Amino acid sequence: AQSVTQPDIHITVSEGASLELRCNYSYGATPYLFWYVQSPGQGLQLLLKYFSGDTLVQGIKGFEAEFKRSQSSFNLRKPSVHWSDAAEYFCAVGTGNQFYFGTGTSLTVIP
Amino acid sequence: DGGITQSPKYLFRKEGQNVTLSCEQNLNHDAMYWYRQDPGQGLRLIYYSQIVNDFQKGDIAEGYSVSREKKESFPLTVTSAQKNPTAFYLCASSRNRDYGYTFGSGTRLTVV
Repeated sequence: AQSVTQPDIHITVSEGASLELRCNYSYGATPYLFWYVQSPGQGLQLLLKYFSGDTLVQGIKGFEAEFKRSQSSFNLRKPSVHWSDAAEYFCAVGTGNQFYFGTGTSLTVIP
Repeated sequence: DGGITQSPKYLFRKEGQNVTLSCEQNLNHDAMYWYRQDPGQGLRLIYYSQIVNDFQKGDIAEGYSVSREKKESFPLTVTSAQKNPTAFYLCASSRNRDYGYTFGSGTRLTVV
């Protein structure tokens, strides 16, 4: 069965520090992978996606993610976090025409 | 600009009443989805529809109903059979899995 695991429920980082949010997936075939961000009371916005090819993908707002097949991971990174990055982040796997979401990681940014 | 519109943003209903949440998209997407979001539980799929006049149950369909009479519209009815309807509801659409989902801004339903 397909599944997505985000092991960190909540992360706190200082503004300007680097960030890495972890995502592991379980899927038998080549995955389609996504990261979304959600601000409080809002819908989800697509940050980036991986289909194939270069395993390092660039997204909006300075985010990037690296696909590592051997580790079944698709971790999200940002070299320098801004206060406006505080939000909930969801990893997702696309299969057929459905998506499976992780339970999310809440990011707090402290001055 | 194309997008998904959910209305209303906030909805209050008395227990035992049915309520319908609206979702409209002008992206020409074939597939549409309804998710429920509760704190600490991520997103759970309620119903989805890949074509007009057809829809499938998701993981938590009990107490909910949908219709898909037009490509652009996928309304969700929360019935009185739903035991714990207070939640944040998100509608999404997609062309196919290659492009990911586009989400609406959500409807927060509170049942008192």
